[in-house]
Amino acid sequence: NAGVTQTPKFQVLKTGQSMTLQCAQDMNHEYMSWYRQDPGMGLRLIHYSVGAGITDQGEVPNGYNVSRSTTEDFPLRLLSAAPSQTSVYFCASSYSRITEAFFGQGTRLTVV
Amino acid sequence: KNEVEQSPQNLTAQEGEFITINCSYSVGISALHWLQQHPGGGIVSLFMLSSGKKKHGRLIATINIQEKHSSLHITASHPRDSAVYICAVPLGTSGSRLTFGEGTQLTVNP
Repeated sequence: NAGVTQTPKFQVLKTGQSMTLQCAQDMNHEYMSWYRQDPGMGLRLIHYSVGAGITDQGEVPNGYNVSRSTTEDFPLRLLSAAPSQTSVYFCASSYSRITEAFFGQGTRLTVV
Repeated sequence: KNEVEQSPQNLTAQEGEFITINCSYSVGISALHWLQQHPGGGIVSLFMLSSGKKKHGRLIATINIQEKHSSLHITASHPRDSAVYICAVPLGTSGSRLTFGEGTQLTVNP
């Protein structure tokens, strides 16, 4: 099992560019989430999904889109990157809301 | 007021000391997670517990549901324990909608 795989690990974007952060898990987990981590603010929920075809917004969804066409994949799209989206992004998955959460290694994104 | 609060924010210890990190939460929960994050690294789940106590090696986690409080203890601390420790609780009726404390930066000096 590879667990939760995030790509890329590092990315630099120019303001206004778009990109997709990839997240894949091979544990057949229904629950997947995207978080961003900023200094002094802890981890904050961007979007989450409770199964294929079902997504919902978290605390800080503006500027991000998600879709969940398969159980395995949960990509996060930045439509028009802004410097405020400079952050470290983590994808996580779990079998249910009361089971252990598994995290990807993170994507460090810089928007210039 | 944050729904999940940790203390202390920063903790420096000497190798061998007993460490306690506290987490308080303000909502009813079904489970609580303790996570570890090394500098520049990913996040690893240490414990998920809904009652009582769990132990893994030198790490012990306890939770008191009635008092809405959990503690993470490290016995015989070692410099490799230096990391950020984060508690998190699931909110909402569905999904892995974890809400996180701000983390405790632990530094263990040799």
